[in-house]
Amino acid sequence: DAGVTQSPTHLIKTRGQQVTLRCSPKSGHDTVSWYQQALGQGPQFIFQYYEEEERQRGNFPDRFSGHQFPNYSSELNVNALLLGDSALYLCASSLSGRYYGYTFGSGTRLTVV
Amino acid sequence: SQQGEEDPQALSIQEGENATMNCSYKTSINNLQWYRQNSGRGLVHLILIRSNEREKHSGRLRVTLDTSKKSSSLLITASRAADTASYFCATDSRAGGTSYGKLTFGQGTILTVHP
Repeated sequence: DAGVTQSPTHLIKTRGQQVTLRCSPKSGHDTVSWYQQALGQGPQFIFQYYEEEERQRGNFPDRFSGHQFPNYSSELNVNALLLGDSALYLCASSLSGRYYGYTFGSGTRLTVV
Repeated sequence: SQQGEEDPQALSIQEGENATMNCSYKTSINNLQWYRQNSGRGLVHLILIRSNEREKHSGRLRVTLDTSKKSSSLLITASRAADTASYFCATDSRAGGTSYGKLTFGQGTILTVHP
């Protein structure tokens, strides 16, 4: 039973560039959420996708966008990267309507230089 | 923004001792969850307690929830060196009765268990 898979594991980008992070949810899950975790902080909710639509969004600028595909996998795109975007980006999957814990991937460590 | 605060920020104990971490939050919740994170990698779900529950056990873990005080505690009994990690509480609030929950995390407690 595969868990949540994220790629790549590490990424170094230059300020102003664009980046795409990918996530495959746990088998049987249909909802994907993305979180940003700065060093020494707790994760912060970016947005959530269900049925290929953004259902909820946290307090993040429009530079952060996403997509969910028919197979429930998801992408997180960040445009015009800033140094402050350096963080661990976590993907979490869940089953809609179920009040269970979320399954998190191991994350993508993004460094912006 | 963070939902609440965790206390203490760091905890150092010896193997075999119990570890207690506290979490406070600000808004009404559907459930509260505790997660563990090793070395800045992925989060591992430990336990979920619903808003109508007061106490829950899972192995060496005991979680309490006091919705009147908007607080929760996580107790790890008979700790082991392998329990060394960061522990986060997260509240799951579902606005308008939707199924679309989102987690709001505290800043975490760093637990170090010395052999």
